[in-house]
Amino acid sequence: DGGITQSPKYLFRKEGQNVTLSCEQNLNHDAMYWYRQDPGQGLRLIYYSQIVNDFQKGDIAEGYSVSREKKESFPLTVTSAQKNPTAFYLCASRYGSGNQPQHFGDGTRLSIL
Amino acid sequence: QKEVEQNSGPLSVPEGAIASLNCTYSDRGSQSFFWYRQYSGKSPELIMSIYSNGDKEDGRFTAQLNKASQYVSLLIRDSQPSDSATYLCAVIDSSYKLIFGSGTRLLVRP
Repeated sequence: DGGITQSPKYLFRKEGQNVTLSCEQNLNHDAMYWYRQDPGQGLRLIYYSQIVNDFQKGDIAEGYSVSREKKESFPLTVTSAQKNPTAFYLCASRYGSGNQPQHFGDGTRLSIL
Repeated sequence: QKEVEQNSGPLSVPEGAIASLNCTYSDRGSQSFFWYRQYSGKSPELIMSIYSNGDKEDGRFTAQLNKASQYVSLLIRDSQPSDSATYLCAVIDSSYKLIFGSGTRLLVRP
């Protein structure tokens, strides 16, 4: 089935640890996005990538890093510099022009141990 | 700062009623408008897209856009308890950035 797969569904981070969230899509979408959602809040953009080997910071990039080595994959690393990482992380992708909607994966819920 | 505003709710309607969800946006050059439904603990799901002034209907859902008033709405006819969710309004602004509102929580009472 075509879609956006995020893994793991739940993730726990220890103090001082970096963790990586996976996002894979088989929709042949060019653009991919990472959002963070805190309880009762809207979505905030962390990073986005329009093409392979290129990505831009969003509104809250500090403490996060990404890579885009393949069109299908856009992993997000939450570094130890992110002091408040507990949140619901959503990966999205978009087909075609900038006027098209984004579609979301099922999300990863990250908590601190 | 470009903004998308929604009433956080909850908006409570009885089963079978029409639910009306509203959204305003600040960037007059905004291009495209979307409604997403998000069940508790789940990811957002696209339910409607609208690009030009007027109404767009899809089943029990109708999206309405008024660019002059910078206003977009979502009507849900014959509301069902399964429609209970948070509805996110999202707008692509004049710089092609997708901006989300914080969502309106809808409760449909059986």
